[in-house]
Amino acid sequence: SQTIHQWPATLVQPVGSPLSLECTVEGTSNPNLYWYRQAAGRGLQLLFYSVGIGQISSEVPQNLSASRPQDRQFILSSKKLLLSDSGFYLCAWSVGVEYEKLFFGSGTQLSVL
Amino acid sequence: SQQGEEDPQALSIQEGENATMNCSYKTSINNLQWYRQNSGRGLVHLILIRSNEREKHSGRLRVTLDTSKKSSSLLITASRAADTASYFCATDDTGGFKTIFGAGTRLFVKA
Repeated sequence: SQTIHQWPATLVQPVGSPLSLECTVEGTSNPNLYWYRQAAGRGLQLLFYSVGIGQISSEVPQNLSASRPQDRQFILSSKKLLLSDSGFYLCAWSVGVEYEKLFFGSGTQLSVL
Repeated sequence: SQQGEEDPQALSIQEGENATMNCSYKTSINNLQWYRQNSGRGLVHLILIRSNEREKHSGRLRVTLDTSKKSSSLLITASRAADTASYFCATDDTGGFKTIFGAGTRLFVKA
């Protein structure tokens, strides 16, 4: 069966520090991969999505970037974090004929201080 | 970009009662989905309804879709304390891979 791993679960970083969040999917091939951010008590904001290795679509201009170095690996990065980058980051995947149906990781709570 | 807007923002009911949440969206869609999120966790897919469907059931869940009104509703029957969570509707970007979420309805079921 398919599983998604997202880490770390919690992260506290100072302003101006770099960021790297990693997400991997097991048990499937060529998944569509997504990064969302959720502010406290709010809905999800789509940040990036990828339909294949090296293919990244950015939805929101900001100081974040994403990369997909391997088929089932999706990385969210920043060179210098801002206070406004705080939030709950969720990775998700979908695949095949039911590509609209998303499966989410457990999320990373990022606090930038 | 289109986005579902849920109503109400928060709902508090007694165990055993039915809970109804509504979602409105702005432009044409291929499908609409409902997800559930327990506090501090990832979202879990509940049900997907396509634009040519009007109603769909899954256990205690009933989803309706009215494309003429650009709205959907999620009904949870015989609610339980364990149904306490946030519920989100999500719409697709027609022909694309983007799924756009609304702000959610926070449901609290009192035992």
